[in-house]
Amino acid sequence: KAGVTQTPRYLIKTRGQQVTLSCSPISGHRSVSWYQQTPGQGLQFLFEYFSETQRNKGNFPGRFSGRQFSNSRSEMNVSTLELGDSALYLCASSPSGARTYEQYFGPGTRLTVT
Amino acid sequence: QKEVEQDPGPLSVPEGAIVSLNCTYSNSAFQYFMWYRQYSRKGPELLMYTYSSGNKEDGRFTAQVDKSSKYISLFIRDSQPSDSATYLCAMPNSGGSNYKLTFGKGTLLTVNP
Repeated sequence: KAGVTQTPRYLIKTRGQQVTLSCSPISGHRSVSWYQQTPGQGLQFLFEYFSETQRNKGNFPGRFSGRQFSNSRSEMNVSTLELGDSALYLCASSPSGARTYEQYFGPGTRLTVT
Repeated sequence: QKEVEQDPGPLSVPEGAIVSLNCTYSNSAFQYFMWYRQYSRKGPELLMYTYSSGNKEDGRFTAQVDKSSKYISLFIRDSQPSDSATYLCAMPNSGGSNYKLTFGKGTLLTVNP
């Protein structure tokens, strides 16, 4: 089975711009979660989608948003980029039902904001 | 107090050593305890997980949970240079959501040949 894929892998943006990151989950997985990883804060939960619905959101400002499509692919968007948004953005997918705690991560998108 | 605490290291050991990696947690609602391994410039890879208290072994890796002390450990036997990575503990069910993982900050391990 193919793993979680994320595009692009690397991105450089300027302050004030917006960015869209894409994630394709493992085939059959309907839950997609997003995390931000920085050296200072570690891995922090952004949000999770299941069947095109956001079920939970972490403690991030409204500039961070996401969506999920009917094929379970997901995108996250960050508007009005700030220097502090530079991070590795990780997408994870998990099986439905009782095993939603098993999360499988993609390679991440490394975003640099200048 | 953070929900999950993990000593960031770094930890450097010679090849063949037994490695012990640990986390403490404060949320009594945690039922599953996960260990991820993350190589440089890669995403975290799920190594193994345990449910509730007790031990679980998988090859050279053993995960141990002590719920009474809110303390979990990952032991690596006969460590290899290929084990050099950051090890992250994680627990789902923060706020009742099994898909929301709370991570420790990770311990950077280097195994020297």
